[in-house]
Amino acid sequence: AQSVTQPDIHITVSEGASLELRCNYSYGATPYLFWYVQSPGQGLQLLLKYFSGDTLVQGIKGFEAEFKRSQSSFNLRKPSVHWSDAAEYFCAVARGSYIPTFGRGTSLIVHP
Amino acid sequence: NAGVTQTPKFRILKIGQSMTLQCTQDMNHNYMYWYRQDPGMGLKLIYYSVGAGITDKGEVPNGYNVSRSTTEDFPLRLELAAPSQTSVYFCASTQGALETQYFGPGTRLLVL
Repeated sequence: AQSVTQPDIHITVSEGASLELRCNYSYGATPYLFWYVQSPGQGLQLLLKYFSGDTLVQGIKGFEAEFKRSQSSFNLRKPSVHWSDAAEYFCAVARGSYIPTFGRGTSLIVHP
Repeated sequence: NAGVTQTPKFRILKIGQSMTLQCTQDMNHNYMYWYRQDPGMGLKLIYYSVGAGITDKGEVPNGYNVSRSTTEDFPLRLELAAPSQTSVYFCASTQGALETQYFGPGTRLLVL
């Protein structure tokens, strides 16, 4: 079975600092990969997704993610964090059934 | 364009009671999903549907039932509420497999 691991439960950064959220998956072949964001009290919103091709994917709100096959990773990055980026971030993977399996999430805290 | 709507937003149930969580989408999406989100656990798929009249179990279907009589609606039924069903429930829809999932705002359920 496929699984996705987000090793960091909480990440704290200062506003303006760079950000990297980690995501690792366990699956024999390259899965379909997603990053979602959930603001407090809201549903999830897709930030970006990777299916194939260029391993550096650009998303909304200034986020990007890089797929690294050798490390089974799909880490999310942002060069300069804004206070409004404080939220819960979920990595998700899908394969044969195309149904995404979600990680447990990483809570981003932004200090002024 | 309302997207995905869910009702109610919040509900308290007594053990053994039943209720239906409503989900409606106005985007003419074929695929619809029900997830539950427990603290620190990410999203778990309960049931999904790939079109009217077609439903299938997800990862955690026990204690729940669904129906899909129309494209727009995908209600989730709890027949005998249990404390383990205390959670936040999200409905989502997509046009097709691997397309962007659009989430509703969620229903917070407390079973006492």
